[in-house]
Amino acid sequence: GENVGLHLPTLSVQEGDNSIINCAYSNSASDYFIWYKQESGKGPQFIIDIRSNMDKRQGQRVTVLLNKTVKHLSLQIAATQPGDSAVYFCAETGSGTYKYIFGTGTRLKVLA
Amino acid sequence: GAGVSQSPSNKVTEKGKDVELRCDPISGHTALYWYRQSLGQGLEFLIYFQGNSAPDKSGLPSDRFSAERTGGSVSTLTIQRTQQEDSAVYLCASSPSTGGNSPLHFGNGTRLTVT
Repeated sequence: GENVGLHLPTLSVQEGDNSIINCAYSNSASDYFIWYKQESGKGPQFIIDIRSNMDKRQGQRVTVLLNKTVKHLSLQIAATQPGDSAVYFCAETGSGTYKYIFGTGTRLKVLA
Repeated sequence: GAGVSQSPSNKVTEKGKDVELRCDPISGHTALYWYRQSLGQGLEFLIYFQGNSAPDKSGLPSDRFSAERTGGSVSTLTIQRTQQEDSAVYLCASSPSTGGNSPLHFGNGTRLTVT
């Protein structure tokens, strides 16, 4: 896999700071959401998911927030590290469908 | 355990040649997807296989593209008479179930370059 595109929105964050990456999803019927991380030359890697009956879910150094009212998803990364540098994108799907809709992604750059 | 495996990792071919891309999903995963990822674009759905059901081929961009999945496991994506616009990364993903219950697990893709 490769990083998606040359014109992705880019978030530059100082090492050790927290990062917040946002995603607007498209389908109000979607009820399952996923964040992926894609490093250069690799395929997308699952980070964390959340169902629509929740508005927050925490993992190791990552938190996903879901706001169904405005169809907004965010990924928070605590104490950002150089290894977090990658493209991050969200995906949405719903019960009764096998189709996933993917965002185009945000490039996260961690500054030393 | 082993993840989704794709081969080759890179393929350079001349315009007009046929290519075959292979995907080995995670053992036991019944759902298998092919996506295409081009510069500046999100993931483009190509085809979906679920168990023994007829595949959803609605995303295949032309009749030069075809895919099969033998024995409910390994899948091959074939592109005939390749064109330069076919150059992209082709990603395979598998899942133990569908219906909004689980994430897709991706391979590292095949980078196809058509010269």
